[in-house]
Amino acid sequence: KAGVTQTPRYLIKTRGQQVTLSCSPISGHRSVSWYQQTPGQGLQFLFEYFSETQRNKGNFPGRFSGRQFSNSRSEMNVSTLELGDSALYLCASSLVASGGSQETQYFGPGTRLLVL
Amino acid sequence: AQKITQTQPGMFVQEKEAVTLDCTYDTSDPSYGLFWYKQPSSGEMIFLIYQGSYDQQNATEGRYSLNFQKARKSANLVISASQLGDSAMYFCAMREVTGNQFYFGTGTSLTVIP
Repeated sequence: KAGVTQTPRYLIKTRGQQVTLSCSPISGHRSVSWYQQTPGQGLQFLFEYFSETQRNKGNFPGRFSGRQFSNSRSEMNVSTLELGDSALYLCASSLVASGGSQETQYFGPGTRLLVL
Repeated sequence: AQKITQTQPGMFVQEKEAVTLDCTYDTSDPSYGLFWYKQPSSGEMIFLIYQGSYDQQNATEGRYSLNFQKARKSANLVISASQLGDSAMYFCAMREVTGNQFYFGTGTSLTVIP
């Protein structure tokens, strides 16, 4: 079974631009979560989608948004990029999002975004 | 309060030796799951091991074992017979039954010395 895939793997943008990152979960997985990882702030939760609905949201400004499609693929968008948005963006999928504490999240390779 | 605390920013271990990475957690939920992930320099987070709050025995997966002490709210990862490829960041995480969010610690950087 193929793992979580993320595209693109690397991205360079300039301040003020917008960017869209894509995540395809493991086949059969219906929950997709997004994280931002920076050396200074560590791993921070952005949001989680299940059945095309946002179920949880972290403490990020409205410039960060996401969506999930009927095939469970997810995209996240960052508008009006700032230098501080430079980070590794990780996507993770799990089978369901029904509150089971045993549901493991499986991560993709990440997208490295550099904002100049 | 932090949900997950990893107090060791960096650890060194000799090749073939065992090493313990510390993790303490904070929750009032009776049901929760504890996870460990490995993140090599490539960036991908690799799932290593899972422990459920109701599991009576410590979880083991190959060279990885989880030393689960429920009363002390600790879930330490033990890596036996360390290998050079074990050099990476290690993250402890928790999922509570009442929510769908994972809580991650700040990670421990492990370096295996030949």
